[in-house]
Amino acid sequence: QKEVEQNSGPLSVPEGAIASLNCTYSDRGSQSFFWYRQYSGKSPELIMSIYSNGDKEDGRFTAQLNKASQYVSLLIRDSQPSDSATYLCAVGGSQGNLIFGKGTKLSVKP
Amino acid sequence: DGGITQSPKYLFRKEGQNVTLSCEQNLNHDAMYWYRQDPGQGLRLIYYSQIVNDFQKGDIAEGYSVSREKKESFPLTVTSAQKNPTAFYLCASSRTGTGSYNEQFFGPGTRLTVL
Repeated sequence: QKEVEQNSGPLSVPEGAIASLNCTYSDRGSQSFFWYRQYSGKSPELIMSIYSNGDKEDGRFTAQLNKASQYVSLLIRDSQPSDSATYLCAVGGSQGNLIFGKGTKLSVKP
Repeated sequence: DGGITQSPKYLFRKEGQNVTLSCEQNLNHDAMYWYRQDPGQGLRLIYYSQIVNDFQKGDIAEGYSVSREKKESFPLTVTSAQKNPTAFYLCASSRTGTGSYNEQFFGPGTRLTVL
């Protein structure tokens, strides 16, 4: 059974700090990795995708991928209260589907 | 305005009833997916369709049925055989259904409650 693991949190950071969210996956053959943000009661919103080892930056968000360690992370710089949400890590399956972790709840304190 | 729509937003079902959840997309995406989310849980795949007139079971297909007669539409029926249907149902689509580089985009969801 292919698995994606995340710490459930909550992860609490002060406003302006860097939030670091982590994810590990079991299928060494996985090729695509995604981060979704989900506000309470809402549907997931895609914020980052990454396919190659290394870092990918988009605004305040940086995704980091290490396929050898089967590890993907999301850094949020200058965290804002509006970043408070649950962050879902998803890994591409062989059938084109996604396998989701249970999510990490982030709370940014003013 | 391109996007994915789901209806209704809230749905209440009595025991023994079948109900159908609607999902429509105008993104010209080939692939569509249905997920279920329970409180504190990740998303679990119910069914997916990579192309019109074809669909496959996901991890938790028992008690559900789907059809894909049009590219734009992928309705989900929750049958009376589904023993615990109360959940948040999410429809998603992606440009293609094959290969690994498929960004999926979600509709707003339908919250189903069994009375």
